[in-house]
Amino acid sequence: EIVLTQSPGTLSLSPGERATLSCRASQSVTSSYLAWYQQKPGQAPRLLIYDTFSRATGIPDRFSGSGSETDFTLTISRLEPEDFAVYYCQQYGSLPLTFGGGTKVEIK
Amino acid sequence: EVQLVESGGGLVQPGGSLRLSCAASGFTISTYWMHWVRQAPGKGLVWVSRIKSDGSITDYADAVKGRFTISRDNAKNTLYLQMISLRAEDTAVYYCAVFHAAVAAWGHGTLVSVSS
Repeated sequence: EIVLTQSPGTLSLSPGERATLSCRASQSVTSSYLAWYQQKPGQAPRLLIYDTFSRATGIPDRFSGSGSETDFTLTISRLEPEDFAVYYCQQYGSLPLTFGGGTKVEIK
Repeated sequence: EVQLVESGGGLVQPGGSLRLSCAASGFTISTYWMHWVRQAPGKGLVWVSRIKSDGSITDYADAVKGRFTISRDNAKNTLYLQMISLRAEDTAVYYCAVFHAAVAAWGHGTLVSVSS
């Protein structure tokens, strides 16, 4: 099983600042099948990034994904008020599919 | 509009059974792998199961293997999860989802509570 470790657990930032979220895999992620999701309280997750780099439909370009093999990053270039939420990475190249434990981005 | 709507959750005693349904609209599920993901209260996301577009392949997380069965009725555009021998640790919100980026949809979730 590929274990995904996200860091930091909580990121305290102000609107307008840059957010850098990390996702480290216990082994190489097949074909860069790595996605990022945003989840707000009481809501279902929303796909932001798939295949490591590709933005999902309707996702603003302030969200970007990068990385390869075992180290992946989600960057939010300038935080908007609606971006404060929990973010999860997910690998879908190997069974079982796995999610990271999440990073909470909170308002400082 | 693409939409997934789960139903069938509720309170059940340990050892009991439930069948969850997920009705899709706005797209045809027959093209896509479909998934169930769960989230225990205050916890993270955990993948539970998936089924291929034509139903020929199913996969499960170890924690539910042998107790949960995923199925689909493409004619009804509906996904199912039959759960038996439920345990307290199965308590969670259960989401159905299409991970494929062309759809990228999740339902609102249905709460399953296992308690005596």
